[in-house]
Amino acid sequence: DIVMTQTPLSSPVTLGQPASISCRSSQSLVHSDGNTYLSWLQQRPGQPPRLLIYKISNRFSGVPDRFSGSGAGTDFTLKISRVEAEDVGVYYCMQATQFPPTFGQGTKVEIK
Amino acid sequence: QVQLVQSGAEVKKPGSSVKVSCKASGGTFSSYAISWVRQAPGQGLEWMGGIIPIFGTANYAQKFQGRVTITADESTSTAYMELSSLRSEDTAVYYCARDRRALTTLDAFDIWGQGTMVTVSS
Repeated sequence: DIVMTQTPLSSPVTLGQPASISCRSSQSLVHSDGNTYLSWLQQRPGQPPRLLIYKISNRFSGVPDRFSGSGAGTDFTLKISRVEAEDVGVYYCMQATQFPPTFGQGTKVEIK
Repeated sequence: QVQLVQSGAEVKKPGSSVKVSCKASGGTFSSYAISWVRQAPGQGLEWMGGIIPIFGTANYAQKFQGRVTITADESTSTAYMELSSLRSEDTAVYYCARDRRALTTLDAFDIWGQGTMVTVSS
């Protein structure tokens, strides 16, 4: 199985300041069809996960533009340009390029 | 807008089985893969398996092979996940999630059920 490693595991951030989360995969996530199936999910306390970004950098419907994704191959990043109070939660990267889909261990974003 | 509504919380004895349902409303059901993902208390997300209802064949993570059965009923737009030989380590919230694209390999999970808490305790 592909191992997804996120850093940091915890990110205390000041409101209005940026935050960045890294996700590294143990193998390239480029699929044979040329796409890279790397997505980012947000899980607020007590809620199910919510899709933020798919295929590295595509924002899902309704996701604020302060969220952006980038990367290629095995290294990926989620950035929040200006953290708001509603962004508190745990963020997961997920790969669906290779069976089975696997998740990073999660990064907790909290307000300082 | 498609919604996934799951069945309610369950408390089970070790060695028994549990069956969780996930009913889709408001959109197309049969063409999109439904996956089951679990989350133990305070832990991360773990993919268990999935099914594309129109094809009817499920795929499972090796860890759960032989213990999990995922099915779908197109007539009621409902997917099911049954986990057998339950042990305390299976205590978790179980989510169903729909894939973003129809009739193809997995991409990303864009719609999630609310989750079903399964507690395994003697």
